[in-house]
Order: sequence, then structure tokens, then C-alpha cells
Amino acid sequence: KQEVTQIPAALSVPEGENLVLNCSFTDSAIYNLQWFRQDPGKGLTSLLLIQSSQREQTSGRLNASLDKSSGRSTLYIAASQPGDSATYLCAVPWGNMLTFGGGTRLMVKP
Amino acid sequence: DAGVIQSPRHEVTEMGQEVTLRCKPISGHNSLFWYRQTMMRGLELLIYFNNNVPIDDSGMPEDRFSAKMPNASFSTLKIQPSEPRDSAVYFCASSRTGDSNQPQHFGDGTRLSIL
Repeated sequence: KQEVTQIPAALSVPEGENLVLNCSFTDSAIYNLQWFRQDPGKGLTSLLLIQSSQREQTSGRLNASLDKSSGRSTLYIAASQPGDSATYLCAVPWGNMLTFGGGTRLMVKP
Repeated sequence: DAGVIQSPRHEVTEMGQEVTLRCKPISGHNSLFWYRQTMMRGLELLIYFNNNVPIDDSGMPEDRFSAKMPNASFSTLKIQPSEPRDSAVYFCASSRTGDSNQPQHFGDGTRLSIL
């Protein structure tokens, strides 16, 4: 059974800092890994989907890396802004289903 | 392009009542997923459909839960009878195909409170 863990569970940083969110998974036989953002009272917004053949994927100030062999992914956020405050979740497919981590709640202070 | 649409956004009802949650997937998407999110257990997949057919319902907690997809543009998740422990946020998501390489797109969820 696939298990996905995210550390830390919560993170508070001042505006402008670069930061890294971590995601680990127990079964390295994955097709891809997806990072989502969830705002309070809202659904999940897909940020990046990184294929197993890729090592990283970039979108604006976001960069996701994937190391299948070690069962890890990181989401790097450059020059953080208060608008980045949200919960960030990673997920990996297990069959056709997604298994989610518990999320990292990020607060960027002005 | 409209995203996944869920209704109602909020539902408060007394235990024992029947609850029906609704979802309209993105047009052209063939796969639909129902998830439940709680503080204790995070996001859990309940059931998913491919081409309107239920493929895996192993996540459905018990017989009180049922889901249908009568056509490609509509799905329901029903709880009968409801219990306080069913209180959670229920999300519907859709993807273009059942291929796990396709990203899933989520609705804004239904926040359910059973008193």
C-alpha cells in the first residue's frame, strides 16, 4: 500500500523567502507525482504534474523535483508572497486512484 | 471553460436524514472521482467512475453510502441514513481519461455537517 508523507505539517515564513516543501512516498513504482494547492473553503488546484521520467517541472516561481529512487519530491517556492499562503498537498497515483499526503499549511507573513 | 461544479456548497442536516451531493464534471472528461476530506484522515478516495461505470468503490465506508453516474455530465453521492461521523468536506474531481497521467481537476467541495 502506498503511503505519502509531507513534512513539515505547517510552515510560517516572512515574505520574500525561498522555501522548500517536502513529500515522501513508500512505493517508488509511480507514474507521476502531482502537487496541489488548497485555499481555505476551496477545492484543490493542480500546480504541477511531474512524470516519473522527469526530474523536475517548473511553473513560474514554483519548481517541483522528483527522485523516484529515494521516494521523495520537493516543491520549491521562490520569493514567497502572502498570496502563496495555502495548504500544499502532494499526491501519487495508486492504480487509477490518487493517494494524498497530509499537506503542509503555509503562511507567508507580509 | 467551467470547472467541476458541486452542489450544494454547504449542507447541515440532522442525523438519520438522507443526504444527496451532486457533481457535474468538466465536459469531455471520462473519469469522475469522489473524495472525502477530514482533519483526522486527510483526503480519501471513496469511489471512481470511468465512462459512467463504477470501477472501484473500495473506499466507500459502508452500505449507507452509494454513488451513481447516470450520464457523462452528472453524478450523485448519497448517504442514507446520515450520521454525525459523516461530517466532512466531500470533493468531486474529474480527469480527461482514467489514465493516471492525466491531472485531476477538483470542485470546490460540499461541506457537510450532520448534527
